[in-house]
Amino acid sequence: KQEVTQIPAALSVPEGENLVLNCSFTDSAIYNLQWFRQDPGKGLTSLLLIQSSQREQTSGRLNASLDKSSGRSTLYIAASQPGDSATYLCAVSHYGQNFVFGPGTRLSVLP
Amino acid sequence: DGGITQSPKYLFRKEGQNVTLSCEQNLNHDAMYWYRQDPGQGLRLIYYSQIVNDFQKGDIAEGYSVSREKKESFPLTVTSAQKNPTAFYLCASRNRANEQYFGPGTRLTVT
Repeated sequence: KQEVTQIPAALSVPEGENLVLNCSFTDSAIYNLQWFRQDPGKGLTSLLLIQSSQREQTSGRLNASLDKSSGRSTLYIAASQPGDSATYLCAVSHYGQNFVFGPGTRLSVLP
Repeated sequence: DGGITQSPKYLFRKEGQNVTLSCEQNLNHDAMYWYRQDPGQGLRLIYYSQIVNDFQKGDIAEGYSVSREKKESFPLTVTSAQKNPTAFYLCASRNRANEQYFGPGTRLTVT
């Protein structure tokens, strides 16, 4: 059974720092991996989708990488801003199967 | 504006009452999902539907029911059989690239 973990559970950084969030999964035969952002009391907002054949995806200050063989993905946030404060979740899927979510990393960017 | 709407945003019910949460999408997606999110826990799958007039139980379906009579709509009923219904409920849909989109959520409180 696929299990997804995210480390750290919480992270606090000063504004302007570059940071990395980690997502690990136990079954490497995934179809794709998706990173989300969730603000308190809100739904999930999709940030990046990486297909299993891809190594990375970029959107603005965000870069997500995927290493299937080691069961890891990282989300890199450049030049962090207070508005980046939120919980970040990753989710993996296998072909024809449902998504499995990690517990999330709660990020605080201090002004 | 394409997206997923959920209503109401907040719902309060007495114990023993059934309640129905609305989820509507205009993204023309075939697949739709209901998740439950509790504090400190990841998302857990309640029910999903791959196509109109078909739906499947997820990991925690007991005490819940759904219908999928129209492509755009996937309502969730929380019945009195659900032992601990107070939670944040999220509806999602999935496109053909296997990317998920979420609604804003409904917070249900049962007293």
